[in-house]
Amino acid sequence: ELVMTQSPATLSVSPGERATLSCRASQSVNGKLAWYQQKPGQAPRLLIYGASTRATGIPARFSGSGSGTEFTLTISGLQSEDFAVYYCQQYNNWPMYTFGQGTKLEIK
Amino acid sequence: EVQLVESGGGLVQPGGSLRLSCAASGFTFSSHELNWVRQAPGEGLEWVSYISGSGSTILYRDSVKGRFTISRDNAKNSLYLQMNSLRAEDTAVYYCARLADLPYFDSWGQGTLVAVSA
Repeated sequence: ELVMTQSPATLSVSPGERATLSCRASQSVNGKLAWYQQKPGQAPRLLIYGASTRATGIPARFSGSGSGTEFTLTISGLQSEDFAVYYCQQYNNWPMYTFGQGTKLEIK
Repeated sequence: EVQLVESGGGLVQPGGSLRLSCAASGFTFSSHELNWVRQAPGEGLEWVSYISGSGSTILYRDSVKGRFTISRDNAKNSLYLQMNSLRAEDTAVYYCARLADLPYFDSWGQGTLVAVSA
């Protein structure tokens, strides 16, 4: 199974600052990497697909980068509504999609 | 607007059965592949099952093979998950999730909670 590993597990950042979340795959996912945001009691929401393409309606402060096995989600100018759990997911190994264990972004 | 609304969750004893439903609207249902994804309490996301737009291709994760059955009714814009021989480790919120043309999940329902306990 293709394993996705996210770091850190918890990230404390002040509003207005930048958050950098990491995701590593156990083998290349050929850029087929998505990021989701999940708030308590809510379903995940697609943020990024293709490693770097923002989904419809996602603010420009969210950006994705990376290739091969290493990927990054950057959130610039953190706003209060951005504090949530973030998951990466590979879809290269269809349909055995696998998710990372999540990074909780909390207010510092 | 795309909407996916799950129902059918509840409390069931180990070995019991439940049937989940997902009612879809706002898109051409038969054109989209659908999945069930689950999330155990306090845990991450886990893919469970896939069904193609026509229903001709169906796939499951190993831990549910032989116990769960995914199906769809394109005339009713509905997705189903029949869950038999339920185990405590099946306890989770179950989400219906739509695949985009590139196979990531572009829309999710709000989820339905399945609790397996004596």
